[in-house]
Amino acid sequence: DTAVSQTPKYLVTQMGNDKSIKCEQNLGHDTMYWYKQDSKKFLKIMFSYNNKELIINETVPNRFSPKSPDKAHLNLHINSLELGDSAVYFCASSQERQLATNEKLFFGSGTQLSVL
Amino acid sequence: AQTVTQSQPEMSVQEAETVTLSCTYDTSESDYYLFWYKQPPSRQMILVIRQEAYKQQNATENRFSVNFQKAAKSFSLKISDSQLGDAAMYFCAYRRTRSNDMRFGAGTRLTVKP
Repeated sequence: DTAVSQTPKYLVTQMGNDKSIKCEQNLGHDTMYWYKQDSKKFLKIMFSYNNKELIINETVPNRFSPKSPDKAHLNLHINSLELGDSAVYFCASSQERQLATNEKLFFGSGTQLSVL
Repeated sequence: AQTVTQSQPEMSVQEAETVTLSCTYDTSESDYYLFWYKQPPSRQMILVIRQEAYKQQNATENRFSVNFQKAAKSFSLKISDSQLGDAAMYFCAYRRTRSNDMRFGAGTRLTVKP
């Protein structure tokens, strides 16, 4: 049983297109995240949602828009894709709005986005 | 601003030997948490070990242990009796108390030689 699942695993698209990456967690967690891992493997937080409310919004181009239809889903929509958007995007989740002392993030397996 | 630095882009170890991965971080906070995550080729991020900054005792999880030096802001990971399955990218991460923002280092690629 996959705890945090992302689709698709691989996404190849042309510059200028609009694409979405979906994320679902079946852990009953209240908080979900999107992280971006660039070509140098550096992992940076993009967004965090708690129960459909945006609580972290790092400096990310407004072409990126997270959408949370319910607390088990956090989708990432990207408009007008650019070459620099090529990266691996990770979804993650945690139980509480505020990460507790011993709490850990549960990560999905990532979506490798390639913009040509 | 908090930053996490992993100065070793790549490391290799012989199977059954011990290897230490380095991590330093920069923070003005006194209370925070530190983590090591493993990312195998499957890309899945897996928590290896975590340490609360207020604890002096170094965390251990089976073959994995840390050397936490708070004054030096250093948090190294020691892998004993290395196994082929330990081959992966390893990420050091920092999170301050009452924050959901996890900050990661650039990673160290560990190769295990049979």
